[in-house]
Amino acid sequence: KQEVTQIPAALSVPEGENLVLNCSFTDSAIYNLQWFRQDPGKGLTSLLLIQSSQREQTSGRLNASLDKSSGRSTLYIAASQPGDSATYLCAGVMDSNYQLIWGAGTKLIIKP
Amino acid sequence: DVKVTQSSRYLVKRTGEKVFLECVQDMDHENMFWYRQDPGLGLRLIYFSYDVKMKEKGDIPEGYSVSREKKERFSLILESASTNQTSMYLCASSAPDRGYQPQHFGDGTRLSIL
Repeated sequence: KQEVTQIPAALSVPEGENLVLNCSFTDSAIYNLQWFRQDPGKGLTSLLLIQSSQREQTSGRLNASLDKSSGRSTLYIAASQPGDSATYLCAGVMDSNYQLIWGAGTKLIIKP
Repeated sequence: DVKVTQSSRYLVKRTGEKVFLECVQDMDHENMFWYRQDPGLGLRLIYFSYDVKMKEKGDIPEGYSVSREKKERFSLILESASTNQTSMYLCASSAPDRGYQPQHFGDGTRLSIL
């Protein structure tokens, strides 16, 4: 059974630091992977979508990578800001059934 | 921009009541989804629909039903609400795609069953 794991569950860093959030999956037969942001009490905002044929996607200060062979995706945030504080979730779609498999999220706190 | 609107941000109901959660999207998306989100359990798919009047069970359909009479609207129904259905409910929609992505989410409905 496919599982998506996000470690750590929570992370606190000073403002201005570059940081990496991790997402790992057990089945390399992944169709695509998406990173989302969720603010407290709110819905999810799509950040980046990486197709299985791609290795990375960039949007502003965010860069997401996908390595199917190692079962890993990372979300890199450059020059972090307090406004980046949120929970970040990754979700993968597997080739077999096209349904989203969700990680539990990493709660990120950027300290001013 | 895609807009997914959930009818209520907060809702309080009593055990045994029939509860309707409404979701409307304005992008003519074929696919619509209902999730619930609980601390420590992440997002779990309740039902999804890939066309009008079509529905598929997700991972936790028990105690729920859905209705999709129009393309833009997807309703989640709690037939007889119970306290273990207290949760954050999230609706999402997406264009037709082999992987049903990217999904666009509403702001969620925080439902409390007393």
